[in-house]
Amino acid sequence: DARVTQTPRHKVTEMGQEVTMRCQPILGHNTVFWYRQTMMQGLELLAYFRNRAPLDDSGMPKDRFSAEMPDATLATLKIQPSEPRDSAVYFCASGHYLGRMNTEAFFGQGTRLTVV
Amino acid sequence: QKEVEQNSGPLSVPEGAIASLNCTYSDRVSQSFFWYRQYSGKSPELIMSIYSNGDKEDGRFTAQLNKASQYVSLLIRDSQPSDSATYLCAVRNTGGFKTIFGAGTRLFVKA
Repeated sequence: DARVTQTPRHKVTEMGQEVTMRCQPILGHNTVFWYRQTMMQGLELLAYFRNRAPLDDSGMPKDRFSAEMPDATLATLKIQPSEPRDSAVYFCASGHYLGRMNTEAFFGQGTRLTVV
Repeated sequence: QKEVEQNSGPLSVPEGAIASLNCTYSDRVSQSFFWYRQYSGKSPELIMSIYSNGDKEDGRFTAQLNKASQYVSLLIRDSQPSDSATYLCAVRNTGGFKTIFGAGTRLFVKA
């Protein structure tokens, strides 16, 4: 059953604490996205990677957010320090891009983050 | 101007009617277009993709693309209450895989 797996599913933390969200992309996919979804802003692209290299992280607040892919089976999104305005659902998605042959983005179930 | 724009709705249609969802995009060289459905509290799931001008049909769904007008739409025929969800339009740029989403249109199908 190929799917994108995100952990944790829910996270409640106090302002100022570090938050780490993890994503296991579908095996064989070479592109990983991080999106943030809120009622006000919709689904915003924070960053994406191809073959573990960051291609675009312009949507991510650099002072507190960082995204990495330590290996092909793990992507992480870290917030340090967290703020109440970071409360949102964070989605990871993966796909395979190879020139003209590519797949759509498949989404994980999301991490619902609440910062109090 | 946002890169991908959708009417936020809600769009309300009676059961059995045709629901029409619209999307415009700003990047003229965009090549790939997608419609995702998202139920409340769930993750987006792909329902249609379209890459060339014209219509593409899949069951009750028809996607329409007009690159000259930078416009993509989704028609849902014989709408069912189970179609009630938020529909997200997504656009992928050329030369890469960057996929940008619109804010979504909420659809309600009344039984």
